[in-house]
Amino acid sequence: GAGVSQSPSNKVTEKGKDVELRCDPISGHTALYWYRQSLGQGLEFLIYFQGNSAPDKSGLPSDRFSAERTGGSVSTLTIQRTQQEDSAVYLCASSSTGGGDQPQHFGDGTRLSIL
Amino acid sequence: QKEVEQNSGPLSVPEGAIASLNCTYSDRGSQSFFWYRQYSGKSPELIMFIYSNGDKEDGRFTAQLNKASQYVSLLIRDSQPSDSATYLCAVRGSSGDKLTFGTGTRLAVRP
Repeated sequence: GAGVSQSPSNKVTEKGKDVELRCDPISGHTALYWYRQSLGQGLEFLIYFQGNSAPDKSGLPSDRFSAERTGGSVSTLTIQRTQQEDSAVYLCASSSTGGGDQPQHFGDGTRLSIL
Repeated sequence: QKEVEQNSGPLSVPEGAIASLNCTYSDRGSQSFFWYRQYSGKSPELIMFIYSNGDKEDGRFTAQLNKASQYVSLLIRDSQPSDSATYLCAVRGSSGDKLTFGTGTRLAVRP
């Protein structure tokens, strides 16, 4: 597609359930990033993929969070045993390479609400 | 000290005025600097990026970078009500490819 696509756009789930968030980057972009934005806060880095490998996963807040990327394209962020503090907008971005001079382009995000 | 700092605002300017948004960063080895605009309920949209000291102009927008003072700014000339949004400063540091974001400055342009 023309831009970064994320699904679902909204997700409401009960505390303790697992959720999967999907990101489809811009075609040909090798670098993919996950961030989250809590209400009124800045963006918090979660994980970075270059191709299918994740050279930087330093932002994952706990072992309940995991992510994978297959075929150098689609990525899935999984949150197990969700907690209320996981409520946020989860944003995915991609760039053509992982190089320092390449801007990141964002999808519309998934708004996750944990009841 | 936060890694990337911005005044949260709101910064209120009249239509047609110049809006000046500022950002400071702590990682002296940072090389790439980005400004994103975020409308309420929407995702960030890239406005400008700058890598070298000095000014970079694109239409009504000018990004300014001073690495010695560790600050980057965004000037918006002839501000329009449609420019009302939160402006996020993002910095790619010396240690990797991730971006570190400030919490954003909310700009309000009064008609």
